[in-house]
Amino acid sequence: DAGITQSPRYKITETGRQVTLMCHQTWSHSYMFWYRQDLGHGLRLIYYSAAADITDKGEVPDGYVVSRSKTENFPLTLESATRSQTSVYFCASTEGARQPQHFGDGTRLSIL
Amino acid sequence: SQQGEEDPQALSIQEGENATMNCSYKTSINNLQWYRQNSGRGLVHLILIRSNEREKHSGRLRVTLDTSKKSSSLLITASRAADTASYFCATDTLTGGGNKLTFGTGTQLKVEL
Repeated sequence: DAGITQSPRYKITETGRQVTLMCHQTWSHSYMFWYRQDLGHGLRLIYYSAAADITDKGEVPDGYVVSRSKTENFPLTLESATRSQTSVYFCASTEGARQPQHFGDGTRLSIL
Repeated sequence: SQQGEEDPQALSIQEGENATMNCSYKTSINNLQWYRQNSGRGLVHLILIRSNEREKHSGRLRVTLDTSKKSSSLLITASRAADTASYFCATDTLTGGGNKLTFGTGTQLKVEL
């Protein structure tokens, strides 16, 4: 089925560990995004990508790393997880500038 | 920093009533979008209104945009229990670049039977 898939849906890890959240879309959309959603803050942009091998920082990039070697995949890595990174993470994609974004169902990440 | 602020934060109505949510923003926009989020799910796009448009309809949804007041409203008519969700406005700003959206903190709508 066409769409955008995030994995895992739930993850529990410990501080200091590296964790990678996966995002895969089947539309061949150029733009992909990572957001985090926290109570009282709404969605905040972490990183985005306009095309394969092109990434840029969003509002809250510190502590995160992204890559985009293939158009359909946009993994997000927490290199050394901290408790403040406990959140729900959403990946989104869109076909072009000024168009609606399509969201995955999120990864709920807990860091103990 | 939040570009969009929704009002009210929470809204509870009876099925069949209309629900109105408001969004205010700070900087000039290219377009403004509304999204719905059901509990435990991702956001779903509802409607996009461009800066040169004043009103837009989609089924039971009506969105207005007043760029002079930097505000928008989302009206859901004849609400149903299935409309229970959080609703977010998101702005595509002129200076944002790269198709970035800035989301507000959302309105939680509860529609009771």
